[in-house]
Amino acid sequence: AQSVTQPDIHITVSEGASLELRCNYSYGATPYLFWYVQSPGQGLQLLLKYFSGDTLVQGIKGFEAEFKRSQSSFNLRKPSVHWSDAAEYFCAVVPTGGGNKLTFGTGTQLKVEL
Amino acid sequence: DAGITQSPRHKVTETGTPVTLRCHQTENHRYMYWYRQDPGHGLRLIHYSYGVKDTDKGEVSDGYSVSRSKTEDFLLTLESATSSQTSVYFCAISGDSSGGLPYEQYFGPGTRLTVT
Repeated sequence: AQSVTQPDIHITVSEGASLELRCNYSYGATPYLFWYVQSPGQGLQLLLKYFSGDTLVQGIKGFEAEFKRSQSSFNLRKPSVHWSDAAEYFCAVVPTGGGNKLTFGTGTQLKVEL
Repeated sequence: DAGITQSPRHKVTETGTPVTLRCHQTENHRYMYWYRQDPGHGLRLIHYSYGVKDTDKGEVSDGYSVSRSKTEDFLLTLESATSSQTSVYFCAISGDSSGGLPYEQYFGPGTRLTVT
């Protein structure tokens, strides 16, 4: 079945440490890939997206993500986490030819220790 | 920020009562969506609209109906609310796909609905 998986429900990192949030997908053809962030009590904001081309994608707030076809993964990274990055992060996909309908992973809650 | 508002922002209602949530946009975007967010499930699509009076079902549409009589408003109705519909509801909007590629969705602030 088609799915998008975020294996880590919670992650805690220290401020200044590097961060990697995992996302794996299971689709016949590579879907379009997105990362969204949700701060407490807020709506979702797009961090970055991958459609094709360069497999390393730069986003807002200093985030980047790398698409790896061989691993069916689209992991989100940040070299140095700030306390304000504490939020919930969602990986999402749109299947190729699937119009605009997003399918979300279950999310990863990031806690940043000072 | 995209011009999306949701009303009400919080609502508590009793089982069996009808509830309508409103999403209003000022961006003139063609597509509008309703999602629900529940712990352990992420966001799941309830219904979406691809134009005035044009709507379609999403992944979890049972127990919900929608209407869109004008571009800027998309209403979500729970005909007879149940406790399983306690959730946070998000509206989103997007423009037309460009060259077959999906367009960015912008999300509203959410409505927290509690059904007692």
